[in-house]
Amino acid sequence: SQTIHQWPATLVQPVGSPLSLECTVEGTSNPNLYWYRQAAGRGLQLLFYSVGIGQISSEVPQNLSASRPQDRQFILSSKKLLLSDSGFYLCAWGTGTGNQPQHFGDGTRLSIL
Amino acid sequence: DAKTTQPPSMDCAEGRAANLPCNHSTISGNEYVYWYRQIHSQGPQYIIHGLKNNETNEMASLIITEDRKSSTLILPHATLRDTAVYYCIVRVIIQGAQKLVFGQGTRLTINP
Repeated sequence: SQTIHQWPATLVQPVGSPLSLECTVEGTSNPNLYWYRQAAGRGLQLLFYSVGIGQISSEVPQNLSASRPQDRQFILSSKKLLLSDSGFYLCAWGTGTGNQPQHFGDGTRLSIL
Repeated sequence: DAKTTQPPSMDCAEGRAANLPCNHSTISGNEYVYWYRQIHSQGPQYIIHGLKNNETNEMASLIITEDRKSSTLILPHATLRDTAVYYCIVRVIIQGAQKLVFGQGTRLTINP
């Protein structure tokens, strides 16, 4: 069966520091990968998605970037964190444009001080 | 993107059926409706999805109106562990990938 892993579960970072969040998927090949962010008390917002290695699409302009160095690895990064980058970051995977659902990881709660 | 409207909160007694409504009046003919739930501090959990026929699985049933402008998620025998925020989502296809547009959802509280 397929599994998705995110780490770390929680992270506290100072303003201006860099960021790297990692997500890996097991048990499937060539998945679509997604990064979402959830601000406090709000719904999820799609940040980035990728349909293949090295391919990244951004949904909203922001201080973050994403990379996909391997088929089942998705990384969310920032060179300098802002206070507004605080939130709950979720990685998800899916299988193309068929009707199969996306499946989410357990998320990383990021606090910027 | 097709938008969904859900009540912000609902209560249900343990053991009773929980019926969560969702309006999606701008849905297109080939867009699916997905339901997820999110328990506090966890990632969203997939529940069920459908296009135009009613669907049932081990977690819930999904009733979609004939005009597809609304749907209802039914949890047949709610338990305390079903307390969560429930999201009704219309999926959009973008450049070979799926886009799930999350609204505010319905905060369902199951009372003992």
